[in-house]
Amino acid sequence: DTGVSQNPRHKITKRGQNVTFRCDPISEHNRLYWYRQTLGQGPEFLTYFQNEAQLEKSRLLSDRFSAERPKGSFSTLEIQRTEQGDSAMYLCASSHGPNTEAFFGQGTRLTVV
Amino acid sequence: AQRVTQPEKLLSVFKGAPVELKCNYSYSGSPELFWYVQYSRQRLQLLLRHISRESIKGFTADLNKGETSFHLKKPFAQEEDSAMYYCALSPAAVTGNQFYFGTGTSLTVIP
Repeated sequence: DTGVSQNPRHKITKRGQNVTFRCDPISEHNRLYWYRQTLGQGPEFLTYFQNEAQLEKSRLLSDRFSAERPKGSFSTLEIQRTEQGDSAMYLCASSHGPNTEAFFGQGTRLTVV
Repeated sequence: AQRVTQPEKLLSVFKGAPVELKCNYSYSGSPELFWYVQYSRQRLQLLLRHISRESIKGFTADLNKGETSFHLKKPFAQEEDSAMYYCALSPAAVTGNQFYFGTGTSLTVIP
């Protein structure tokens, strides 16, 4: 599968713990996006990267959230001191540039207990 | 602020019947509109975008700026069309790709 890859697929963690997710985009894509999806809702934009630069962050991205894309390839999303409200599907997508189709990964489902 | 509204959470139609999934948006500029689809146990994928004016899998969508709508239509529904459909808006046609999604409509095509 040469599409966008996300790991892990599922994560269960205790409240207060830190978690990190990884996204490997399609190799030639320079844009990478993170979205969050909760039950009954559509995906909500969190942040995006153009190569290694983080160009935009949503207000949804609190101080406990941090995303990196150190070499302009894979990206990580870390959530510190997780809360039950963080339970959601975290989606990653990549695209070749502006105004082009975004390809989504299968997501990481986070459950905070 | 931009917003996408999909008024129907669930929609059921019989095979062979026409189907229309509604999408309304609010945005002061010139948005780019998309329909994404998620089949069971599969990832979210692009179905069509208004700028390409294509018909994909028999689906079409026309951007109506007067009514701020981008409804998805298919004249004859098929069982394989059963899926979750999301309407999405990108506010800047040039620098876009930050999508704002609606809450989605779950379409069930009854055999």
